[in-house]
Amino acid sequence: SQTIHQWPATLVQPVGSPLSLECTVEGTSNPNLYWYRQAAGRGLQLLFYSVGIGQISSEVPQNLSASRPQDRQFILSSKKLLLSDSGFYLCAWSPPGLYHEQYFGPGTRLTVT
Amino acid sequence: GENVEQHPSTLSVQEGDSAVIKCTYSDSASNYFPWYKQELGKRPQLIIDIRSNVGEKKDQRIAVTLNKTAKHFSLHITETQPEDSAVYFCAASSFSNYQLIWGAGTKLIIKP
Repeated sequence: SQTIHQWPATLVQPVGSPLSLECTVEGTSNPNLYWYRQAAGRGLQLLFYSVGIGQISSEVPQNLSASRPQDRQFILSSKKLLLSDSGFYLCAWSPPGLYHEQYFGPGTRLTVT
Repeated sequence: GENVEQHPSTLSVQEGDSAVIKCTYSDSASNYFPWYKQELGKRPQLIIDIRSNVGEKKDQRIAVTLNKTAKHFSLHITETQPEDSAVYFCAASSFSNYQLIWGAGTKLIIKP
């Protein structure tokens, strides 16, 4: 069966510091991968998605970037965090194919102070 | 591009009653419609989905209906229980679009 891991679970970072969040998927090949951000009490904002190694699509211009160095690894980064970057970051995967059901990782709760 | 609208934003029902959440979509090419449940502080979890070649799907107390002509789909929860309290999100996607387009969410409150 497939499993998705995210770490860390919780992170408190000062403004201006760098960020690296990692997501890995087990038990599947060539998944589509997604990064979302969710502000408190709000909906899901798609940040990036990837349909293959080295292929990244950005949905929202911001100070974040994403990379996919391996088939089942997706990394979200920032060089300098802003207060507005605080939120619940969720990684998700979907199988390649006709339908795009997504399965979410446990999430990282980021607080920028 | 595709747009998904979800109503109501908050729904309060008495325990044991039924709850219905409705979504409309704009892209006639959409072929997949999932529903997710998100409990407080947790990840969204897929609870039921429907594909465009089906009009209704049921799984125990939950069901989803799809009206392709009117471009809307609904989540039905019967015999609601306290553990049904959560935020529910609908979404839509098409084969050519790798994204899910999300509704804004419905906070379901089950009153004891």
